[in-house]
Amino acid sequence: GAGVSQSPSNKVTEKGKDVELRCDPISGHTALYWYRQSLGQGLEFLIYFQGNSAPDKSGLPSDRFSAERTGGSVSTLTIQRTQQEDSAVYLCASSARLGYEQYFGPGTRLTVT
Amino acid sequence: SQKIEQNSEALNIQEGKTATLTCNYTNYSPAYLQWYRQDPGRGPVFLLLIRENEKEKRKERLKVTFDTTLKQSLFHITASQPADSATYLCALDRGRGSTLGRLYFGRGTQLTVWP
Repeated sequence: GAGVSQSPSNKVTEKGKDVELRCDPISGHTALYWYRQSLGQGLEFLIYFQGNSAPDKSGLPSDRFSAERTGGSVSTLTIQRTQQEDSAVYLCASSARLGYEQYFGPGTRLTVT
Repeated sequence: SQKIEQNSEALNIQEGKTATLTCNYTNYSPAYLQWYRQDPGRGPVFLLLIRENEKEKRKERLKVTFDTTLKQSLFHITASQPADSATYLCALDRGRGSTLGRLYFGRGTQLTVWP
């Protein structure tokens, strides 16, 4: 693909439900990142994956958040028992290597009602 | 923890003028500093990356400076155009050990270029 893609583009869910957000990085990029952008706030780092190394989960806000990356490519961010404060735009990015420029997807807008 | 401040939330300038955006940070100096552009409803788009041992970097009408003594980066857009209107984000990468690749973003400066 030409760029990073994310699905769905919009997700409305009820409080307490689980959601899965998907990211397809640029082919060949070894590093994949998840960020969260709340209204009026800056991008907040959540987690990143680099190759086959253990992911850096230090930015995940609670144990309701988890992510996996299968086959070194597609990644899924899962939020369990969603809360209203989880409402935000979730952005995925990939880069050829750590420390290089990052290419962002269009984001998934999550609304928890 | 790292704190990043971008000079103002909004900057309005006339077409043709030079826009200057400021990014100040506290605590440790980053190994890399990046600038991104974000349009409404879209993900950020990478513009420039500057390393701690570089003072200045240019790309077409864009120029970035990096002063590790002042803990500041300046981002300039010369001969600005209405199409340059967007939010510009500063992002820092500590670039060391386990934090390499982890970007800390400022809240951004919304630039409006009027004809």
